[in-house]
Amino acid sequence: DTAVSQTPKYLVTQMGNDKSIKCEQNLGHDTMYWYKQDSKKFLKIMFSYNNKELIINETVPNRFSPKSPDKAHLNLHINSLELGDSAVYFCASSQDSRPGKGTQYFGPGTRLLVL
Amino acid sequence: GENVEQHPSTLSVQEGDSAVIKCTYSDSASNYFPWYKQELGKRPQLIIDIRSNVGEKKDQRIAVTLNKTAKHFSLHITETQPEDSAVYFCAASSGSARQLTFGSGTQLTVLP
Repeated sequence: DTAVSQTPKYLVTQMGNDKSIKCEQNLGHDTMYWYKQDSKKFLKIMFSYNNKELIINETVPNRFSPKSPDKAHLNLHINSLELGDSAVYFCASSQDSRPGKGTQYFGPGTRLLVL
Repeated sequence: GENVEQHPSTLSVQEGDSAVIKCTYSDSASNYFPWYKQELGKRPQLIIDIRSNVGEKKDQRIAVTLNKTAKHFSLHITETQPEDSAVYFCAASSGSARQLTFGSGTQLTVLP
């Protein structure tokens, strides 16, 4: 049973297209996150939701729009894709929004390549 | 906000030797310090964490030490094995922050 799952696993697309990545967790956690990992392996938080409420919104272009339809799902929609958006996007979840109160579990990642 | 620096960026050791990875943090209010291991093509996974009320924590071959005064913490892996080869990330978070700030990662290679 996969705890945090993401689809798709790979995404290859042209510049200017719009794409979505989906994430689901079956751990009963309250908090979900989106991270971006670039080619140098830097892990940078983009967004965090707690009980469907946006609590972290880092400096991310507004072409990126997260949506949390319920506690178990967090999707990421990207408009007008650019070359620099190529990266691995990880979803994560934790029981509590305070990091010390619950381990963050990561999904398998979505490898996005913009051509 | 929090800033976490991690060194070295790459580390090669012979199988059976020890490996040490060091991190420093800037926010004196930080009180939670996890370490994640990311194997090639896989997801980051928590391997050990430490809270600010503890100076050292061990789990079999891995240990983490914390020096609050100097604001640095370290990961120690003893008797390294080829399967320890991965990228290791440190992270830090304060009690009020709702996010982890990650270090830049260390690529550990254990040579057989």
